[in-house]
Amino acid sequence: AQKVTQAQTEISVVEKEDVTLDCVYETRDTTYYLFWYKQPPSGELVFLIRRNSFDEQNEISGRYSWNFQKSTSSFNFTITASQVVDSAVYFCALSVPIYNQGGKLIFGQGTELSVKP
Amino acid sequence: AAGVIQSPRHLIKEKRETATLKCYPIPRHDTVYWYQQGPGQDPQFLISFYEKMQSDKGSIPDRFSAQQFSDYHSELNMSSLELGDSALYFCASSANRALNQPQHFGDGTRLSIL
Repeated sequence: AQKVTQAQTEISVVEKEDVTLDCVYETRDTTYYLFWYKQPPSGELVFLIRRNSFDEQNEISGRYSWNFQKSTSSFNFTITASQVVDSAVYFCALSVPIYNQGGKLIFGQGTELSVKP
Repeated sequence: AAGVIQSPRHLIKEKRETATLKCYPIPRHDTVYWYQQGPGQDPQFLISFYEKMQSDKGSIPDRFSAQQFSDYHSELNMSSLELGDSALYFCASSANRALNQPQHFGDGTRLSIL
């Protein structure tokens, strides 16, 4: 069975601080995909990044960066110089292909990030 | 760019009524997923369709059914509604011919059962 754990339920930081959101996953499959989604107070789910299990290269996109480590089954997300607009719930998710097709997303419990001015 | 369109955005029903939620995927996306997100919860997978055939099934109650039509839009039909069905229902679509495509979500339908 697959599982995603986001141990941090809530994080509060002051604007311009760096913050890291932790994500640990479990799966016995060798091929899988990891994702981060952002859910702002308005409720929509916004795709941020996708990683496949064969690509452990870290990625940076502006103030966002992701650290994927298969050895610890972790896929952590760092926001540098946080801004008030970063306030949202962030979900880490895992997907395992079925019948050579993209599979369902298994979400973690989410981390609510509050960035105060 | 075109996104996933869900309708209605908000829906209020009473217990034991029925509801139909609609989803229009991104053009050329061949797979549709439905998720249910309760208050303060993470989204839970309900059901998915690939090329108009059911491809996977999750924790979807027997009172719910869904289908994908020839134009790729999908509908989630919910009957005998219960208070516990109050939630945000998301539809997502992806292009599964290339496995590395992510799921893109609609804005959701907020269903409230009175």
